[in-house]
Amino acid sequence: AQSVTQLDSQVPVFEEAPVELRCNYSSSVSVYLFWYVQYPNQGLQLLLKYLSGSTLVKGINGFEAEFNKSQTSFHLRKPSVHISDTAEYFCAVSGRGGGADGLTFGKGTHLIIQP
Amino acid sequence: GAVVSQHPSWVICKSGTSVKIECRSLDFQATTMFWYRQFPKQSLMLMATSNEGSKATYEQGVEKDKFLINHASLTLSTLTVTSAHPEDSSFYICSARDQGLAKNIQYFGAGTRLSVL
Repeated sequence: AQSVTQLDSQVPVFEEAPVELRCNYSSSVSVYLFWYVQYPNQGLQLLLKYLSGSTLVKGINGFEAEFNKSQTSFHLRKPSVHISDTAEYFCAVSGRGGGADGLTFGKGTHLIIQP
Repeated sequence: GAVVSQHPSWVICKSGTSVKIECRSLDFQATTMFWYRQFPKQSLMLMATSNEGSKATYEQGVEKDKFLINHASLTLSTLTVTSAHPEDSSFYICSARDQGLAKNIQYFGAGTRLSVL
């Protein structure tokens, strides 16, 4: 079984400032890690993923995340945010069971961009 | 990129009626699809794993007879909420797993908002 902790339920940031959204996970098996973004009343869009290889992964919209196995973290970062980045961000994990595992999500972080 | 279509996007029904939600993978085949439920301002909770040609696998606490899942083809899974009651009102989201190179990635539909009166 896996669990995901997103410590910050809400993060306010000024436009063009950098941001980091924190994600920690626990699992008894190796996992794949994902960040999804959800805009109001919409489904989820994949921002980026870590499957294997380089621990620094780059995604869409200028976001990147770094997998840290020793700290069991997968924090999401963006060097300069835009108003359009206002959304709910979910960190998720799945077991490496050939992709047949459903995702376990964190509770989400609401990113609020202030002008 | 891979597209998952979910229909309807919003449904209002009377208590006691049944509602069917469709989830389609438009440009890829998906032997496995997933159904999630999201309460307001909360995270997504996995309800069940839908397997093409076989029975769905339900998560603990999810009523199989309440939430009927059918995955009759490689591109379509349906979730039927039977005898819906107000407590079933929620946002239901499906996802599909690409069988190809991106098999470890789930692509999500836009969700269905169910309101039971």
